[in-house]
Amino acid sequence: KAGVTQTPRYLIKTRGQQVTLSCSPISGHRSVSWYQQTPGQGLQFLFEYFSETQRNKGNFPGRFSGRQFSNSRSEMNVSTLELGDSALYLCASSSDRYGSPLHFGNGTRLTVT
Amino acid sequence: AQTVTQSQPEMSVQEAETVTLSCTYDTSESDYYLFWYKQPPSRQMILVIRQEAYKQQNATENRFSVNFQKAAKSFSLKISDSQLGDAAMYFCAYRLYNQGGKLIFGQGTELSVKP
Repeated sequence: KAGVTQTPRYLIKTRGQQVTLSCSPISGHRSVSWYQQTPGQGLQFLFEYFSETQRNKGNFPGRFSGRQFSNSRSEMNVSTLELGDSALYLCASSSDRYGSPLHFGNGTRLTVT
Repeated sequence: AQTVTQSQPEMSVQEAETVTLSCTYDTSESDYYLFWYKQPPSRQMILVIRQEAYKQQNATENRFSVNFQKAAKSFSLKISDSQLGDAAMYFCAYRLYNQGGKLIFGQGTELSVKP
């Protein structure tokens, strides 16, 4: 089985722009979660989607949004980018919302200048 | 609120030796999972080991084992016969039973392995 695929791997944007990151989960996985990783704040949970519905949300401003499609692929959007949004964004998938472990992708490195 | 603490920012071990990484967590819940993830320079988070809170028996995966002390809220990872490929950042994580993909991570321990 192919693993979790995130595109693009690297992204450079300018302050004020918006960006969309994509995540394709492992085949058969219906839960997709997003995390932000920075040196200062560590790994922080952004949100989780399951069956196209947002099931959980972290403590991030409304500029961060996401969605999930019927094939379980997910996108994350950040509008009005700020310098502090520079981070590694990780996507993870799992087969259910309870006991199954999360499998992570390689991440998208976003740099905001 | 649940929190996870890794008190060792950096650890070092000699190849073939054993090392233990510490993790403590704070929760008032009884049904949860604990994980150790490894993040090498390639950036991908790799699941090392998983423990269900209701299980008293400590989880093991080949050279990796945990010491789960539920009452003390402690979850340490022991790596036996350390290999060069074990060098990575290790994260301890907590997940409430019904919180789906929401993991709460510790700050990480960077493990270096000396040949």
